[in-house]
Amino acid sequence: SQKIEQNSEALNIQEGKTATLTCNYTNYSPAYLQWYRQDPGRGPVFLLLIRENEKEKRKERLKVTFDTTLKQSLFHITASQPADSATYLCALFGGNAGNMLTFGGGTRLMVKP
Amino acid sequence: DAGVIQSPRHEVTEMGQEVTLRCKPISGHNSLFWYRQTMMRGLELLIYFNNNVPIDDSGMPEDRFSAKMPNASFSTLKIQPSEPRDSAVYFCASSPGTAYYEKLFFGSGTQLSVL
Repeated sequence: SQKIEQNSEALNIQEGKTATLTCNYTNYSPAYLQWYRQDPGRGPVFLLLIRENEKEKRKERLKVTFDTTLKQSLFHITASQPADSATYLCALFGGNAGNMLTFGGGTRLMVKP
Repeated sequence: DAGVIQSPRHEVTEMGQEVTLRCKPISGHNSLFWYRQTMMRGLELLIYFNNNVPIDDSGMPEDRFSAKMPNASFSTLKIQPSEPRDSAVYFCASSPGTAYYEKLFFGSGTQLSVL
């Protein structure tokens, strides 16, 4: 069966460190992968999109990698800040992932001062 | 731009009652999506519209759910009759084009509690 797996346990890190979140998928061959941030009581907010032919994408302190062989995307936040604390969701689209964005369950990140 | 606007923010109702959720997408966006989020199932797509036309409603749980988009600036999601298992946060999202991989802009959601 098709699955998108994100660590359901919260990731706790110290301010200033690099946070790395993982998105693994099974039985999908997506053409695109997106990352969203969701704060409590709010809707998800788009952060980054990466295509299957791109290995890496950066935006300010954010970096996303997309390994179609490992079927994995890594999401990095460098020099993390308490304001980065939120839930981060990955979403797949295209290929055999279909024409709709399919979301993972999200990982909660807690950055401690 | 005010972003995607949903109302109400919270809705508490009793089983069997009709519930109507409302959404105003961002002006100029061509696609509109309704999602439901629960702890158990995460974010699930219910239905999406392109240029006000329903394209795929395969995610709608059952006939008790219906959605309309009478014009480019308004959509409703109706549940009749509501059941306790419908309790969830319902999000509306819009995107600017017809390429469905484009980023989605979400509203703040409606927290629905069916007692």
